[in-house]
Amino acid sequence: GAGVSQTPSNKVTEKGKYVELRCDPISGHTALYWYRQSLGQGPEFLIYFQGTGAADDSGLPNDRFFAVRPEGSVSTLKIQRTERGDSAVYLCASSLRDFTDTQYFGPGTRLTVL
Amino acid sequence: KQEVTQIPAALSVPEGENLVLNCSFTDSAIYNLQWFRQDPGKGLTSLLLIQSSQREQTSGRLNASLDKSSGRSTLYIAASQPGDSATYLCAVREGGATNKLIFGTGTLLAVQP
Repeated sequence: GAGVSQTPSNKVTEKGKYVELRCDPISGHTALYWYRQSLGQGPEFLIYFQGTGAADDSGLPNDRFFAVRPEGSVSTLKIQRTERGDSAVYLCASSLRDFTDTQYFGPGTRLTVL
Repeated sequence: KQEVTQIPAALSVPEGENLVLNCSFTDSAIYNLQWFRQDPGKGLTSLLLIQSSQREQTSGRLNASLDKSSGRSTLYIAASQPGDSATYLCAVREGGATNKLIFGTGTLLAVQP
Protein backbone atom coordinates (compact mmCIF):
# COMPACT_ATOMS: atom_id res chain seq x y z
CA GLY A 1 0.00 0.00 0.00
CA ALA A 2 0.92 3.64 -0.17
CA GLY A 3 1.44 4.05 3.54
CA VAL A 4 1.31 2.35 6.90
CA SER A 5 -2.20 1.22 7.79
CA GLN A 6 -3.58 0.22 11.17
CA THR A 7 -6.77 -1.53 12.14
CA PRO A 8 -9.04 -0.95 13.85
CA SER A 9 -8.95 2.84 14.01
CA ASN A 10 -10.85 2.73 17.29
CA LYS A 11 -11.26 -0.04 19.82
CA VAL A 12 -13.37 0.10 22.95
CA THR A 13 -13.08 -2.79 25.37
CA GLU A 14 -13.81 -3.64 28.96
CA LYS A 15 -11.26 -4.02 31.70
CA GLY A 16 -9.83 -7.51 31.73
CA LYS A 17 -10.48 -8.30 28.07
CA TYR A 18 -7.94 -9.29 25.41
CA VAL A 19 -7.29 -7.08 22.37
CA GLU A 20 -5.29 -7.32 19.17
CA LEU A 21 -4.13 -4.33 17.15
CA ARG A 22 -2.90 -4.79 13.60
CA CYS A 23 -0.28 -2.92 11.58
CA ASP A 24 0.40 -3.21 7.84
CA PRO A 25 3.74 -1.56 7.05
CA ILE A 26 4.82 -0.04 3.79
CA SER A 27 5.58 -2.82 1.34
CA GLY A 28 9.26 -3.75 1.38
CA HIS A 29 10.04 -2.12 4.72
CA THR A 30 11.97 -4.51 6.92
CA ALA A 31 11.87 -2.49 10.14
CA LEU A 32 8.64 -2.03 12.12
CA TYR A 33 8.01 -0.18 15.37
CA TRP A 34 5.18 0.14 17.86
CA TYR A 35 4.69 3.23 20.01
CA ARG A 36 2.07 4.28 22.54
CA GLN A 37 0.88 7.85 22.89
CA SER A 38 -1.07 9.03 25.91
CA LEU A 39 -3.06 12.26 25.83
CA GLY A 40 -0.80 15.31 25.79
CA GLN A 41 2.37 13.25 25.56
CA GLY A 42 4.78 12.30 22.82
CA PRO A 43 4.84 8.74 21.54
CA GLU A 44 6.63 6.24 23.75
CA PHE A 45 8.60 3.38 22.20
CA LEU A 46 7.29 -0.13 22.81
CA ILE A 47 9.00 -2.60 20.46
CA TYR A 48 11.10 -2.76 17.29
CA PHE A 49 11.12 -5.59 14.74
CA GLN A 50 13.83 -6.27 12.19
CA GLY A 51 12.24 -8.75 9.83
CA THR A 52 10.42 -11.38 11.84
CA GLY A 53 12.36 -10.94 15.04
CA ALA A 54 11.94 -8.47 17.87
CA ALA A 55 15.26 -6.65 17.96
CA ASP A 56 14.30 -4.55 20.97
CA ASP A 57 11.26 -5.07 23.20
CA SER A 58 12.55 -2.98 26.09
CA GLY A 59 9.62 -0.58 25.89
CA LEU A 60 6.89 -3.13 26.55
CA PRO A 61 5.50 -2.11 29.97
CA ASN A 62 4.86 -5.62 31.32
CA ASP A 63 4.17 -9.19 30.28
CA ARG A 64 0.55 -8.43 29.38
CA PHE A 65 1.90 -6.86 26.19
CA PHE A 66 3.20 -9.01 23.34
CA ALA A 67 3.80 -8.40 19.63
CA VAL A 68 4.46 -10.67 16.68
CA ARG A 69 5.50 -10.32 13.07
CA PRO A 70 5.51 -13.91 11.81
CA GLU A 71 6.17 -13.29 8.12
CA GLY A 72 8.18 -10.10 8.36
CA SER A 73 5.36 -7.89 7.14
CA VAL A 74 2.12 -7.48 9.12
CA SER A 75 2.49 -7.13 12.86
CA THR A 76 -0.01 -7.64 15.67
CA LEU A 77 0.23 -6.05 19.10
CA LYS A 78 -1.57 -8.15 21.69
CA ILE A 79 -2.68 -6.93 25.10
CA GLN A 80 -4.00 -9.37 27.69
CA ARG A 81 -6.14 -8.54 30.71
CA THR A 82 -6.49 -4.92 29.66
CA GLU A 83 -6.43 -2.19 32.30
CA ARG A 84 -7.81 1.34 32.19
CA GLY A 85 -4.25 2.64 32.13
CA ASP A 86 -3.72 0.93 28.78
CA SER A 87 -6.02 3.49 27.15
CA ALA A 88 -3.96 5.41 24.59
CA VAL A 89 -3.31 5.73 20.88
CA TYR A 90 -1.11 2.92 19.63
CA LEU A 91 1.04 3.97 16.69
CA CYS A 92 2.88 1.76 14.27
CA ALA A 93 5.76 2.89 12.05
CA SER A 94 7.98 1.27 9.45
CA SER A 95 11.27 2.13 7.80
CA LEU A 96 13.09 0.67 4.83
CA ARG A 97 16.03 -0.80 6.73
CA ASP A 98 16.95 0.77 10.06
CA PHE A 99 19.60 3.20 11.29
CA THR A 100 19.61 5.85 8.61
CA ASP A 101 16.01 5.68 7.48
CA THR A 102 13.01 7.85 8.17
CA GLN A 103 10.20 6.19 10.10
CA TYR A 104 6.78 6.46 8.48
CA PHE A 105 3.84 6.36 10.85
CA GLY A 106 0.35 4.99 10.52
CA PRO A 107 -2.77 6.84 11.76
CA GLY A 108 -2.89 4.85 14.97
CA THR A 109 -5.45 2.82 16.87
CA ARG A 110 -7.24 4.60 19.69
CA LEU A 111 -7.77 2.06 22.48
CA THR A 112 -10.24 2.85 25.24
CA VAL A 113 -10.52 0.49 28.19
CA LEU A 114 -13.69 1.05 30.21
CA LYS B 1 18.37 8.17 30.32
CA GLN B 2 17.68 10.39 27.33
CA GLU B 3 15.07 13.09 27.91
CA VAL B 4 13.66 15.33 25.20
CA THR B 5 12.01 18.65 26.07
CA GLN B 6 10.10 21.01 23.82
CA ILE B 7 9.44 24.65 24.51
CA PRO B 8 6.96 26.25 24.31
CA ALA B 9 4.20 23.72 24.94
CA ALA B 10 1.79 25.88 22.96
CA LEU B 11 2.16 28.83 20.64
CA SER B 12 -0.34 31.07 18.85
CA VAL B 13 0.80 33.43 16.09
CA PRO B 14 -0.87 35.54 13.41
CA GLU B 15 -0.66 34.37 9.83
CA GLY B 16 2.51 35.43 8.03
CA GLU B 17 4.74 35.50 11.08
CA ASN B 18 8.05 33.64 11.20
CA LEU B 19 8.42 31.38 14.23
CA VAL B 20 10.87 29.09 16.00
CA LEU B 21 10.14 25.91 17.91
CA ASN B 22 12.73 24.59 20.33
CA CYS B 23 13.82 21.08 21.23
CA SER B 24 16.49 20.07 23.74
CA PHE B 25 17.88 16.67 24.66
CA THR B 26 20.01 15.57 27.59
CA ASP B 27 22.36 13.04 25.97
CA SER B 28 24.30 14.29 22.95
CA ALA B 29 25.15 10.74 21.79
CA ILE B 30 22.39 10.65 19.21
CA TYR B 31 22.35 9.17 15.74
CA ASN B 32 19.89 11.65 14.27
CA LEU B 33 17.03 13.99 15.11
CA GLN B 34 13.70 14.14 13.38
CA TRP B 35 10.88 16.70 13.38
CA PHE B 36 7.33 15.48 12.93
CA ARG B 37 3.95 17.07 12.49
CA GLN B 38 0.82 15.56 14.05
CA ASP B 39 -2.70 16.65 13.13
CA PRO B 40 -5.58 15.90 15.51
CA GLY B 41 -6.64 12.26 15.37
CA LYS B 42 -3.95 11.39 12.86
CA GLY B 43 -0.53 9.81 12.82
CA LEU B 44 2.80 11.54 12.51
CA THR B 45 4.19 13.02 9.32
CA SER B 46 7.96 13.31 9.06
CA LEU B 47 9.08 16.83 8.18
CA LEU B 48 12.85 16.85 8.41
CA LEU B 49 15.55 14.43 9.49
CA ILE B 50 19.00 15.70 10.50
CA GLN B 51 21.85 13.24 10.82
CA SER B 52 24.20 13.80 13.77
CA SER B 53 26.94 14.95 11.39
CA GLN B 54 24.72 17.64 9.86
CA ARG B 55 23.98 21.14 11.10
CA GLU B 56 20.71 21.84 9.31
CA GLN B 57 18.12 20.65 6.83
CA THR B 58 15.66 22.66 4.77
CA SER B 59 12.39 21.80 3.09
CA GLY B 60 10.32 24.59 1.62
CA ARG B 61 9.41 27.04 4.39
CA LEU B 62 10.90 24.78 7.06
CA ASN B 63 14.46 24.86 8.32
CA ALA B 64 15.73 22.64 11.12
CA SER B 65 19.07 23.13 12.84
CA LEU B 66 21.01 20.81 15.13
CA ASP B 67 23.67 21.64 17.69
CA LYS B 68 24.51 18.21 19.03
CA SER B 69 27.12 19.33 21.51
CA SER B 70 24.70 21.63 23.30
CA GLY B 71 21.77 19.24 22.93
CA ARG B 72 19.54 21.59 20.98
CA SER B 73 17.53 21.72 17.79
CA THR B 74 15.26 24.38 16.39
CA LEU B 75 12.54 24.25 13.77
CA TYR B 76 12.07 27.51 11.92
CA ILE B 77 8.84 28.07 10.01
CA ALA B 78 8.80 31.00 7.62
CA ALA B 79 5.69 32.94 6.65
CA SER B 80 3.34 30.80 8.73
CA GLN B 81 -0.06 29.80 7.34
CA PRO B 82 -3.24 28.57 9.04
CA GLY B 83 -2.56 25.15 7.48
CA ASP B 84 0.59 24.93 9.59
CA SER B 85 -1.57 24.58 12.70
CA ALA B 86 -0.71 21.22 14.28
CA THR B 87 1.39 19.68 17.02
CA TYR B 88 5.10 19.56 16.22
CA LEU B 89 7.17 16.81 17.78
CA CYS B 90 10.90 16.33 17.80
CA ALA B 91 12.48 12.94 18.34
CA VAL B 92 16.05 11.78 18.75
CA ARG B 93 17.30 8.41 17.68
CA GLU B 94 19.76 6.99 20.12
CA GLY B 95 22.90 5.30 18.95
CA GLY B 96 23.25 1.55 18.97
CA ALA B 97 21.25 -1.19 17.34
CA THR B 98 17.77 -0.43 18.58
CA ASN B 99 16.82 2.39 16.25
CA LYS B 100 14.13 3.58 18.65
CA LEU B 101 13.02 7.20 18.77
CA ILE B 102 12.72 9.21 21.97
CA PHE B 103 10.05 11.88 21.58
CA GLY B 104 9.43 15.21 23.21
CA THR B 105 5.94 16.17 24.38
CA GLY B 106 5.38 18.50 21.44
CA THR B 107 4.50 22.11 20.72
CA LEU B 108 0.89 22.85 19.80
CA LEU B 109 0.95 25.56 17.14
CA ALA B 110 -2.06 27.65 16.16
CA VAL B 111 -1.71 30.07 13.25
CA GLN B 112 -4.51 32.62 13.29
CA PRO B 113 -5.87 33.83 9.93
